[in-house]
Amino acid sequence: DIQMTQSPASLSASLGETVTIECRASEDIYSNLAWYQQKPGNSPQLLIYDANSLADGVPSRFSGSGSGTQYSLKINSLQSEDVASYFCQQYNNYPNTFGAGTKLELK
Amino acid sequence: EVQLVESGGGLVQPGRSLKLSCVASGFTFSNYGMNWIRQAPGKGLEWVAYISSGSSYIYYAETVKGRFTISRDNAKNTLYLQMTSLRSEDTALYYCARGRLYFDYWGQGVMVTVSS
Repeated sequence: DIQMTQSPASLSASLGETVTIECRASEDIYSNLAWYQQKPGNSPQLLIYDANSLADGVPSRFSGSGSGTQYSLKINSLQSEDVASYFCQQYNNYPNTFGAGTKLELK
Repeated sequence: EVQLVESGGGLVQPGRSLKLSCVASGFTFSNYGMNWIRQAPGKGLEWVAYISSGSSYIYYAETVKGRFTISRDNAKNTLYLQMTSLRSEDTALYYCARGRLYFDYWGQGVMVTVSS
């Protein structure tokens, strides 16, 4: 199985700050990567697919980048509603595998 | 509006069975692959099973292979997960989610607790 290593596990940032979350795959996943946001008590929501494509309705302050084994999610101008956990997911091979998540809090 | 509504969860003893359902609306269910994904309390996400739009392709996580069966009824817009030989480590919130590769819509989840 492809292992997804996500960092950091938790993050504290101020409103308006730029935040970056990293995800490293144990092998090349050819940009077959998605990012999800899960707010407390809610289901996950798709943010990014194919490493850098914004899902419908997602604010443009979210962006994804990367290739090969290294990927990142960037949140520009952090808003209070961005407080959530974020997960990466590879879909290059079955089984689909997720990163352990990053919990983002406000400083 | 796309909606996925899970049901069938509850408290069950180890070794027993349970069947989850997910009713879909707001899209043409028969055109989409569907998944079950679970999240243990306070933990991350684990993909469990996938079924293609016409049920031709089915995949399972190794942790549930041989114990869980995913199926669907396109006439009823419903996805199922039959779970047998349940273990304590199967305790989780089970989500149904739409998509073949990534998951663009998720249900609200249904809790399954395996405990004596």
